[in-house]
Amino acid sequence: KNQVEQSPQSLIILEGKNCTLQCNYTVSPFSNLRWYKQDTGRGPVSLTIMTFSENTKSNGRYTATLDADTKQSSLHITASQLSDSASYICVVTRMDSSYKLIFGSGTRLLVRP
Amino acid sequence: EAGVAQSPRYKIIEKRQSVAFWCNPISGHATLYWYQQILGQGPKLLIQFQNNGVVDDSQLPKDRFSAERLKGVDSTLKIQPAKLEDSAVYLCASSLVASGRGSYEQYFGPGTRLTVT
Repeated sequence: KNQVEQSPQSLIILEGKNCTLQCNYTVSPFSNLRWYKQDTGRGPVSLTIMTFSENTKSNGRYTATLDADTKQSSLHITASQLSDSASYICVVTRMDSSYKLIFGSGTRLLVRP
Repeated sequence: EAGVAQSPRYKIIEKRQSVAFWCNPISGHATLYWYQQILGQGPKLLIQFQNNGVVDDSQLPKDRFSAERLKGVDSTLKIQPAKLEDSAVYLCASSLVASGRGSYEQYFGPGTRLTVT
């Protein structure tokens, strides 16, 4: 079954600390993996996109990794800021006729001062 | 560059009433998506258009939901009649081509929050 599982469901950290969010998937055949940030009351915004051959990609303080062998990805946030408080959604594209995006349920991150 | 526009932003209706949402994608984007996002969950694809043709509507509850993109630009999503479980945020997104292909970005609108009482 094509699924995307994220952990933890929610996370609270202090401002300035680092954190890592996890994503495991069973989607096959695999096309690419994306991480989105969704602020409350807004649509998701893309952070990174990684294809099969890429195992790390950075976007400022956000670094995503991909292990296509174990079907795992992580999103590392460095030196967290209050504005990082949001939901982070892992999305895997299945390589079928419509290239369907399969969304995880997200990790809700709260950064406290 | 203007983003994906959606209206209304909020809507409250009673069950069994009908409601319609509107989406205007980014200019030039051939692919348009409607998603349903229930609180605490990730978005679920309802329907995907390529220009004015339907690519995927396998998860659209066709007995009550309908969508159209007549001129291949803006789109409407309708629910008739609404049920309590339809309470969710309805997100519209667009991409230049089907965004699963390669690394094409999918851009989301702000969503319409629907409450069915």
